[in-house]
Amino acid sequence: DIQLTQSPSSLSASVGDRVTITCRASQGISNFLAWYQQKPGKVPKLLIYAASTLQSGVPSRFSGSGSGTDFTLTISSLQPEDVATYYCQKYNSAPRTFGQGTKVEIK
Amino acid sequence: QVQLQQWGAGLLKPSETLSLTCAVYGGSFSGYCWSWIRQPPGKGLEWIGEISHSGSTNYNPSLKSRVTISVDTSKNQFSLKLSSVTAADTAVYYCARGPGKLGRNYYYYMEVWGKGTTVTVSS
Repeated sequence: DIQLTQSPSSLSASVGDRVTITCRASQGISNFLAWYQQKPGKVPKLLIYAASTLQSGVPSRFSGSGSGTDFTLTISSLQPEDVATYYCQKYNSAPRTFGQGTKVEIK
Repeated sequence: QVQLQQWGAGLLKPSETLSLTCAVYGGSFSGYCWSWIRQPPGKGLEWIGEISHSGSTNYNPSLKSRVTISVDTSKNQFSLKLSSVTAADTAVYYCARGPGKLGRNYYYYMEVWGKGTTVTVSS
């Protein structure tokens, strides 16, 4: 089965900073990758699908890129409400594996 | 706006069967993929399995021998059963819906989520 590895596992950045999270697949998955945001104690929320398509209602400071095995989630200007754990997920085929998560905190 | 309402027993003893149901309100039931995901305390998300628009199922290989996902289209509900539970199955369990068919293809990311059900396995 294809594994997803996120890096870093956690990060701390200042408000207004550009934040980048990476998700690497052990085999190519084309662009069948989604990103989710899970705030503390809350339900996960879809941010991006098809590697780079922003879900309706998601702020434009979030963006995604990549194809094949290497993917990136970028927050262009970190805001206090972005404190959360972010997960990538592959959905090209079952099992629809999640990455292990990246916890984002404010410095 | 589609909503998923889920319920089931929150406390189980080892070896019992976990049973959860997710009801769909405010949207169509047919034409979508319905999934279950879980999250152990303090850990990440784990995909459990799905039942597709065609009724076919896929399961996480690590759970496949113990998992059954089914639908009741007459009630707009789908269910999860996980047999022979142990403490390792303690988690928040989420139901979720995919986006269905976009263009010519079906897609299987999780677009809509239920609020989660906490299940604890303890003797």
